[in-house]
Amino acid sequence: AQSVAQPEDQVNVAEGNPLTVKCTYSVSGNPYLFWYVQYPNRGLQFLLKYITGDNLVKGSYGFEAEFNKSQTSFHLKKPSALVSDSALYFCAVRDMYSSASKIIFGSGTRLSIRP
Amino acid sequence: EPEVTQTPSHQVTQMGQEVILRCVPISNHLYFYWYRQILGQKVEFLVSFYNNEISEKSEIFDDQFSVERPDGSNFTLKIRSTKLEDSAMYFCASSGTVTYNEQFFGPGTRLTVL
Repeated sequence: AQSVAQPEDQVNVAEGNPLTVKCTYSVSGNPYLFWYVQYPNRGLQFLLKYITGDNLVKGSYGFEAEFNKSQTSFHLKKPSALVSDSALYFCAVRDMYSSASKIIFGSGTRLSIRP
Repeated sequence: EPEVTQTPSHQVTQMGQEVILRCVPISNHLYFYWYRQILGQKVEFLVSFYNNEISEKSEIFDDQFSVERPDGSNFTLKIRSTKLEDSAMYFCASSGTVTYNEQFFGPGTRLTVL
């Protein structure tokens, strides 16, 4: 079965420090990977995606993610965290067997940035 | 920037009642989806809709659920007879294409079944 795993329920980082939110995937074939962020009382906002090409993908709000095929990982990163980055982050993968390209989400990681 | 909108933001209903959750997808998008998130659990796919018909549905999407695009802008999810376990956040999403484009999500409707 295709899936993504987010091993950390919560990540705590001091403002100004680099942050990493981990994600590993299990799919057959080439994965289409996504990161979404959910702020309180808001929907899931798209951050970035990997389809093919450069392993380092840049997205919204200064976030980037590194696709690593050998480690089947797609970690989300930011060089310098902001308090406003505090939110719930979801890694996701397109279901390769879905004719409608439904998305399979991870369990989410709550990112907390302290001032 | 175009966005997906959903109404209401919160719906409280009695068990056994019918509810209709409404969504307005991004105007030039062709693929529409409903997902739900039970509190503390993963976001789960319910159904996808294209060309005025269901293209795919999950095992959650049983006969109590239906979707409709009654006009050129709205996309609705109906639950005919709500159960306690239907309490969840329901997200609508839309996409311009099915292959490469990300899905854009609305803010969600929190459904509480008493």
